[in-house]
Amino acid sequence: DTGVSQDPRHKITKRGQNVTFRCDPISEHNRLYWYRQTLGQGPEFLTYFQNEAQLEKSRLLSDRFSAERPKGSFSTLEIQRTEQGDSAMYLCASSTGPLERQPEQFFGPGTRLTVL
Amino acid sequence: GESVGLHLPTLSVQEGDNSIINCAYSNSASDYFIWYKQESGKGPQFIIDIRSNMDKRQGQRVTVLLNKTVKHLSLQIAATQPGDSAVYFCAERDYGNNRLAFGKGNQVVVIP
Repeated sequence: DTGVSQDPRHKITKRGQNVTFRCDPISEHNRLYWYRQTLGQGPEFLTYFQNEAQLEKSRLLSDRFSAERPKGSFSTLEIQRTEQGDSAMYLCASSTGPLERQPEQFFGPGTRLTVL
Repeated sequence: GESVGLHLPTLSVQEGDNSIINCAYSNSASDYFIWYKQESGKGPQFIIDIRSNMDKRQGQRVTVLLNKTVKHLSLQIAATQPGDSAVYFCAERDYGNNRLAFGKGNQVVVIP
């Protein structure tokens, strides 16, 4: 257990529905990341927060995806009008410390989304 | 775009033997590399990292080798144990970029 928690662990939804995932990073970690992972592939970067500011978004993050970190602690990732192609594991990671020291990103267990 | 990838999809190894997992990368701007282990139902777990100004780094039972000339990274696991059975990913980050770029996973199966 890395200290990063994600909820729910599993989500099954029908195409067209909206879903929201939550990530609680390690306490006082100021950076939070979202990744998406499909079977057999490595995680793909989606977006990154430093405190409450969303500083970077991947082109993978279509306009149906939105992420927030309102108080600089937990974060939510919402997917609107889900599509079958959204089925994947959604991973959250957090880190702290000077970037030039390449701080480790600690990953949560992920939320597995299945879109029927 | 530039990417990180693995040579072998599956490695079966006898318990007690050494394992070697290879990874090729193509982003010459990458200056930091990490190996992650991912067990079923869990998120990636940091194993070992190496900066581009090094060519070898050792941890507990693990060694990472970096060959910048051919853009190749490897992970050596000594005396492989059943608990080492997992999917292993290499990842890279270029200077100043917060995102990690992962390669395709390599399944390691340890035979007792």
